[in-house]
Amino acid sequence: QVQLQESGPGLVKPSETLSLTCTVSDGSISDSSYYWGWTRQAPGRGLEWISCIHYSGVPYYNPSLKSRVTISVDTSKNQFALRLSSVTSADTAVYYCGRHWGFGGSYGVDVWGQGTTVTVSS
Amino acid sequence: DIQMTQSPSSVSASVGDRVTITCRASQDISTSLAWYQQKPGKAPNLLIYAASSLQSGVPSRFSGSGSGADFTLTISSLQPEDFATYYCQQASSFPYTFGQGTKLEIE
Repeated sequence: QVQLQESGPGLVKPSETLSLTCTVSDGSISDSSYYWGWTRQAPGRGLEWISCIHYSGVPYYNPSLKSRVTISVDTSKNQFALRLSSVTSADTAVYYCGRHWGFGGSYGVDVWGQGTTVTVSS
Repeated sequence: DIQMTQSPSSVSASVGDRVTITCRASQDISTSLAWYQQKPGKAPNLLIYAASSLQSGVPSRFSGSGSGADFTLTISSLQPEDFATYYCQQASSFPYTFGQGTKLEIE
């Protein structure tokens, strides 16, 4: 059973760049059946879809974050990554990585990481 | 972006009750809809995909229906472990937006 694990700093200063990595275990990120993506959840709030990418490299972004977000894939490490620049306190959230399945990821996220809490504070 | 609206925002029910949650899309999304269950401090768990297909391992008391813009999630007989927050998500076009969530509480 494939597993996902997020990693990265838990504290980021305002105006800096948040960088997270998701490591895929017991499965291949190069499997063409899947997209790989990020979702976040601010404290006490709902889920917000951020971005996803196919291993072939085509990314998709939430327009509300698009100017600040970059998603990438490293097939050699079986990882994908998220970078969010110019962070503010509004970016404080639990960040989840996930595997999207179905054509174009249209069946939803069937495997989730446990989530990593990122706090933006000086 | 496609907007997803869930109702109700919260609902109180008892063990054994039948509960229905609705999700409306701001445009036609065919059957590209997923439902998730989330418990406090945990990642969401996929229940239903393609509007009505039960994800492997999910109890059969969960069911989904609908197409176009209107969808429902039904729990036929509530169990204690079902008290959680439920989200719909459209996966018809990027960004894959979520509904605001429905909190299912014990009455």
